Amino acid sequence: EDKVVQSPLSLVVHEGDTVTLNCSYEVTNFRSLLWYKQEKKAPTFLFMLTSSGIEKKSGRLSSILDKKELFSILNITATQTGDSAIYLCAVEGPLGTGNQFYFGTGTSLTVIP
Amino acid sequence: SQTIHQWPATLVQPVGSPLSLECTVEGTSNPNLYWYRQAAGRGLQLLFYSVGIGQISSEVPQNLSASRPQDRQFILSSKKLLLSDSGFYLCAWSVGPEAFFGQGTRLTVV
Repeated sequence: EDKVVQSPLSLVVHEGDTVTLNCSYEVTNFRSLLWYKQEKKAPTFLFMLTSSGIEKKSGRLSSILDKKELFSILNITATQTGDSAIYLCAVEGPLGTGNQFYFGTGTSLTVIP
Repeated sequence: SQTIHQWPATLVQPVGSPLSLECTVEGTSNPNLYWYRQAAGRGLQLLFYSVGIGQISSEVPQNLSASRPQDRQFILSSKKLLLSDSGFYLCAWSVGPEAFFGQGTRLTVV
């Protein structure tokens, strides 16, 4: 059965710390891996990764994919209280003639001042 | 630009009552449409997906149903709600490798 596992489930850090969030997956016919940030309502898109070893970067956030070991990490440097959110990892696989997204349970990040 | 509308934002319904959540997408044609549920402390669970009008596939057997009467309209329904139906429901669409989400509906069944 296809699955996506995220760790840790929750994390509390102080402002300025660096955090690493993990996502491992077992999805048949993998297409891409996506990271989302969910604050109070709808998840917002952060990164899409399709190739191994190529780092995607946006400000203090970066992510990389290892398709051989079937995992991805999301790094956040110099954390701020505004980074507090649930971070969701999703893997895209085939869905009939469309595409399906398998989501992990998320990592709840709390950044305290 | 593409937008997705989902309503209502919050809903409190008694056990045994019916449910209808609606989602519409603008600015795109023939999107794949999804309904997800997020229970407290858990990830997003895919409930239904649709690749076209009238085409609905269910991922999880339960007392919910979905319909797609128009290309950009997706409806989640129930004839009789259960307490276990409480949760956060998200509609999403995709044309390609990225999913875009609505703002969600917080459903509380009492």
